[in-house]
Amino acid sequence: GAGVSQSPRYKVAKRGQDVALRCDPISGHVSLFWYQQALGQGPEFLTYFQNEAQLDKSGLPSDRFFAERPEGSVSTLKIQRTQQEDSAVYLCASSLDGTGGNEKLFFGSGTQLSVL
Amino acid sequence: SQQGEEDPQALSIQEGENATMNCSYKTSINNLQWYRQNSGRGLVHLILIRSNEREKHSGRLRVTLDTSKKSSSLLITASRAADTASYFCATDATSSYKLIFGSGTRLLVRP
Repeated sequence: GAGVSQSPRYKVAKRGQDVALRCDPISGHVSLFWYQQALGQGPEFLTYFQNEAQLDKSGLPSDRFFAERPEGSVSTLKIQRTQQEDSAVYLCASSLDGTGGNEKLFFGSGTQLSVL
Repeated sequence: SQQGEEDPQALSIQEGENATMNCSYKTSINNLQWYRQNSGRGLVHLILIRSNEREKHSGRLRVTLDTSKKSSSLLITASRAADTASYFCATDATSSYKLIFGSGTRLLVRP
C-alpha cells in the first residue's frame, strides 16, 4: 500500500466494551508506533514495536491496553473494558528502520474512538 | 507528559503573510522534527533538523534550532490558505526511537 492504513476510521463503543484497532504499516517498515491523541493536544506515545518485538510499552495507560504485532507487519491495539477517558484518536505510525528519533514517521489517519 | 511546548497555541494570519511558530523543549536532544496535521487526519512529516545543525530549509519552510536555548522555530513564508493546519514539534529526548510531541500550534490562514 501507499501509506499507513488504519481501521476502523471511527469507532463508537459503550463503556465496558472491548475494542480492537488495526494498523497496516508501510510494507517493509521495521518500526511501528501507537500514539494516543486527545482533542486539541499533541500525540502521546503508547508503545513501540521493532518487527514483532514489543520493545517499549511504557506509554500504555493501564493493563486494559494491549498491543501486538505477531508477524512483524499488521498491528492491533486492543482496549478492554473501555472507559470514557479512553475516548481519543489512536494514531499508528511506521518508520523504515529502528531509529524513529533519527528518521521521519509515516502516520495513518487514525481511529477516532468515542466511548459512551 | 509532553516534552515540547509550542508557542503560540493559535495563530491567525492573512494569506501571503509569514507565519512563525516556536517550540521549546526541556532536555538534550539529537534531533528535532516538525509535523503538520490537517483536521481529522494523521501527521505529515515536514522537516528534521539535527542537533549539530542551526538552520534548514525546505521549500517555503525554514527551521532553526538553538540548542543552548532548547528552542526551535518554524517559519512558513508566503502562507496559503492550504497551510491551515496544526503544527507540532517532536524530539527524541528520551530515547533513540521514541518521538515526544509538543502540544501544537493551530494555524489559520485567511484567504
